[in-house]
Amino acid sequence: AQSVTQLGSHVSVSEGALVLLRCNYSSSVPPYLFWYVQYPNQGLQLLLKYTTGATLVKGINGFEAEFKKSETSFHLTKPSAHMSDAAEYFCAVSGGAGGTSYGKLTFGQGTILTVHP
Amino acid sequence: DGGITQSPKYLFRKEGQNVTLSCEQNLNHDAMYWYRQDPGQGLRLIYYSQIVNDFQKGDIAEGYSVSREKKESFPLTVTSAQKNPTAFYLCASRQSNQPQHFGDGTRLSIL
Repeated sequence: AQSVTQLGSHVSVSEGALVLLRCNYSSSVPPYLFWYVQYPNQGLQLLLKYTTGATLVKGINGFEAEFKKSETSFHLTKPSAHMSDAAEYFCAVSGGAGGTSYGKLTFGQGTILTVHP
Repeated sequence: DGGITQSPKYLFRKEGQNVTLSCEQNLNHDAMYWYRQDPGQGLRLIYYSQIVNDFQKGDIAEGYSVSREKKESFPLTVTSAQKNPTAFYLCASRQSNQPQHFGDGTRLSIL
């Protein structure tokens, strides 16, 4: 069984400030972890993913996330927020290699990021 | 360009009516998925299909049905048994160990 908890349904930052969106997961098998972004009335776009190997993963638009197994966390960060980053962000987990989840994703509840000028 | 096309973008259903949401992909992906999105609840899996002519229930399949007669198509029917169908519906597809790709969604409302 897998689950994802995103801490904070709304996060507000100033333009140029650090963005930190928190994600904790639980998984009975080594997980694959993902961050997706969604703009209003659109589908989800993949920001980055962790499967195996390096625990710090870099994604599009300057975002990165670090897989910390001991903390069961996969927080998303960006050093300097831009107005165009305002959107809803979803953390998701699936069973990794050897798992039987057939690629099914379990999503967190989402975090809406607001960026102030 | 390759991608996933969902249609229509907006759909209205009358009480007691079945409606079908279309999802077509030209990515040659084997697996396809349907999710329902409600505010503050993230995405929840309705049905998924790993190969043609085979599909499995997800976490919230009651009141929904699907078919997978062609690799590129995975339509979702919202039946009259689904008592709270108002939501944003997202279709996704995936190949091997790659991440899921999503369509732009269909917003279903009740008249």
